[in-house]
Amino acid sequence: AHLVESGGGLVKPGGSLRLSCVASGFTFNHAWMTWVRQAPGKGLEWVGRIKSKTDGATTAYAAPMKGRFSISRDDSRNTLYLQMNSLKTEDTAVYYCTKVSGSGYPLEFWGQGTLVTVSS
Amino acid sequence: EIVLTQSPGTLSLSPGERATLSCRASQSVSSTYLAWYQQKPGQAPRLLIYGASSRATGIPDRFSGSGSGTDFTLTISRLEPEDFAVYYCQQYDGSQYTFGQGTKLEIK
Repeated sequence: AHLVESGGGLVKPGGSLRLSCVASGFTFNHAWMTWVRQAPGKGLEWVGRIKSKTDGATTAYAAPMKGRFSISRDDSRNTLYLQMNSLKTEDTAVYYCTKVSGSGYPLEFWGQGTLVTVSS
Repeated sequence: EIVLTQSPGTLSLSPGERATLSCRASQSVSSTYLAWYQQKPGQAPRLLIYGASSRATGIPDRFSGSGSGTDFTLTISRLEPEDFAVYYCQQYDGSQYTFGQGTKLEIK
């Protein structure tokens, strides 16, 4: 499995950014996917999850992201998205997309991450 | 939200020694949904253990996981130089994921 994130960069507070994650090496449309972030020098923080379309493509988000972040998927392009609005300086982090395993739902594959910097 | 607390924050050991890392949950966690990850500097995390005790593909058998309820343990039986890294536990409650704050395993 291979996951490649893109779309990171420098954005001003209050701005928006959309991250993409292109998947290969597995059946993307069957997979649940998540986003996880890591602020510089800090630990891992789960952002949100999207189920497969078969399972309703439902989403769930961590409390700090609810209402500001939105996860979507385009199975025809094997691509996962993270739309981030109303960005704050504390959203500065490396953002990883991950594939969820069907056995106990651990995050079995990770991309290399893309850095988002929110600063004026 | 289930809070995971890892201890110790930093563990200093020598190659060849045994490492025991702890993960305590604020409420009971299903063993099925407890995982451990390893992260080296500049790299993405890697799945080590899922279902509290099952090794992920390609993970050496010196890594083992155990525990139930609110107390879980990752054990590395004999440390190799490449094992010095940060380790995270993670749980899934059917809706949300949470991670522990990490244990840094450093060379003594």
